[in-house]
Amino acid sequence: GDSVVQTEGQVLPSEGDSLIVNCSYETTQYPSLFWYVQYPGEGPQLHLKAMKANDKGRNKGFEAMYRKETTSFHLEKDSVQESDSAVYFCALSDGDGGSQGNLIFGKGTKLSVKP
Amino acid sequence: NAGVMQNPRHLVRRRGQEARLRCSPMKGHSHVYWYRQLPEEGLKFMVYLQKENIIDESGMPKERFSAEFPKEGPSILRIQQVVRGDSAAYFCASSPSPLQGSSGGYTFGSGTRLTVV
Repeated sequence: GDSVVQTEGQVLPSEGDSLIVNCSYETTQYPSLFWYVQYPGEGPQLHLKAMKANDKGRNKGFEAMYRKETTSFHLEKDSVQESDSAVYFCALSDGDGGSQGNLIFGKGTKLSVKP
Repeated sequence: NAGVMQNPRHLVRRRGQEARLRCSPMKGHSHVYWYRQLPEEGLKFMVYLQKENIIDESGMPKERFSAEFPKEGPSILRIQQVVRGDSAAYFCASSPSPLQGSSGGYTFGSGTRLTVV
């Protein structure tokens, strides 16, 4: 079945460091790809998305490129800030927007930026 | 414009009791999705409902779990005879249509954290 694998556990950069959080996916379909962010005690929020190959999602200095040839959607930022600290989930949609539309999530990566 | 409302925020049940989780979608959204998040895990899809219809329940455990979305009122996720392994955060999401949902148009609620003691 469809799956998403991302950098596991916790990432501990210092403020101003660059960041890459890896995400790889498996599916037999042509999915849309997402990064969601979750703050403590809240539900996930859409952070950025890419709908087709070579699209680049962008938000608040974060970027992720939809790479079909390597089935990857890595999250990158040049210079992280303490306020970026949260749990980040990579996800794909496994439907074609018809009768489905549910999401497949990775296990999450906790980003804790040191001041 | 209220977002997706879930209640209660926290629910404690003893083993063998029933748990009822409620979700009111955003205004204008008629599609509701339930997800479960176990500790240190990502969210797992459980069920997708439209008003009065279950569209996809492929992620629901076969026993003790049920969901409904009546014509009037919130969507309900019901867990009968709860066990410790049911302890998790349960999130509801809504979208105006499955197409918009699959394009990232979900709005998630803040979740219900169920603890079974």
